[in-house]
Amino acid sequence: DAGITQSPRYKITETGRQVTLMCHQTWSHSYMFWYRQDLGHGLRLIYYSAAADITDKGEVPDGYVVSRSKTENFPLTLESATRSQTSVYFCASSTSSGANVLTFGAGSRLTVL
Amino acid sequence: AQKVTQAQTEISVVEKEDVTLDCVYETRDTTYYLFWYKQPPSGELVFLIRRNSFDEQNEISGRYSWNFQKSTSSFNFTITASQVVDSAVYFCALSEAGSSYKLIFGSGTRLLVRP
Repeated sequence: DAGITQSPRYKITETGRQVTLMCHQTWSHSYMFWYRQDLGHGLRLIYYSAAADITDKGEVPDGYVVSRSKTENFPLTLESATRSQTSVYFCASSTSSGANVLTFGAGSRLTVL
Repeated sequence: AQKVTQAQTEISVVEKEDVTLDCVYETRDTTYYLFWYKQPPSGELVFLIRRNSFDEQNEISGRYSWNFQKSTSSFNFTITASQVVDSAVYFCALSEAGSSYKLIFGSGTRLLVRP
């Protein structure tokens, strides 16, 4: 199906475990983004990528790792999950940077116990 | 550094009332873009409008209107004759040239429209 898909949609894990959230888009958009949404903070940018093999930090990158070996995929890894990383994570893509309209995935709700 | 402030955490109105959602931004750039996104209770994020820094014309789309004022660094959003379906969280966002056009969001305003 065309669009941007995130998986898993829901995940419960324990402190210290590694978790990877997947994001896949079918438009061949150059730019991809990861945001986290927390009450009172809105959406905060974690990492973004301008193209395959090009990534850069956002507002809250600590504790997260990203990679972009293929244009269509942009996985987000929490190497050692902490309770403070309990959040809803949104992936987004855009034809060219944040100056253009972002299309968002449905979100991944992560709970770290 | 770029910053977006939505001071109104939550607004509650009765259906058919007009409501304005405030957005104040900070940027040192002359080239930037402002956005509004809507997040209904279902959770998805929906684009509403984009405005660049060189276009201060106000915009009207049906019951929605946007007032962009560079003099006060504000980009306010008004819903006329609100409806229950307008209930959602609304986010204002800023993308500036000097930050590689990263899109930074405000904390959002939750709008509840009561029947």
